[in-house]
Amino acid sequence: ETGVTQSPTHLIKTRGQQVTLRCSSQSGHNTVSWYQQALGQGPQFIFQYYREEENGRGNFPPRFSGLQFPNYSSELNVNALELDDSALYLCASSSWDSIGNEQFFGPGTRLTVL
Amino acid sequence: SQQGEEDPQALSIQEGENATMNCSYKTSINNLQWYRQNSGRGLVHLILIRSNEREKHSGRLRVTLDTSKKSSSLLITASRAADTASYFCATDDNYGQNFVFGPGTRLSVLP
Repeated sequence: ETGVTQSPTHLIKTRGQQVTLRCSSQSGHNTVSWYQQALGQGPQFIFQYYREEENGRGNFPPRFSGLQFPNYSSELNVNALELDDSALYLCASSSWDSIGNEQFFGPGTRLTVL
Repeated sequence: SQQGEEDPQALSIQEGENATMNCSYKTSINNLQWYRQNSGRGLVHLILIRSNEREKHSGRLRVTLDTSKKSSSLLITASRAADTASYFCATDDNYGQNFVFGPGTRLSVLP
């Protein structure tokens, strides 16, 4: 167990809807990253937050947005859902201040868009 | 396009045998990390190797890094059925940012 939790574990939405996924970081970590993993593929980097500011972004459209809170927990929001957004969404926490920046992953949220 | 590419895509071996997986990447890196994932669950960090390191060990795991060839290998010795999982390499091109994962190697260890 990494100490990183995500909610909900599973979610079903329809096209055009909006969704919010949540992540609680491991104690002592100030950085959170979000990834999208389609079936049979590797995780794709969405964005990273450090001290409540976006600190890097992958090749995802603006309808993917995020927040990090003072307690370093985080949300991923996706607007105008599309069928291709169906995937496992993973968050990972790390400590920016530690050498190596090893990321600790949560169990993921499985999103299905119908 | 993905930075890391694992090879082979799938590997099936008998318990007790060694498993070797390779990872190639395209641009300069700070660190390269290997992760394991069981059946669509979260990723488990296995080992991190820095760009100035050539080899690292952790238990039954041995990782090598060749920055001149932009490649890394993960060796699992004396494999067990519990090692059955997907294995991914991940690189970061700026310190702590933009981790890029390959498509993974699916390892099956048969009892």
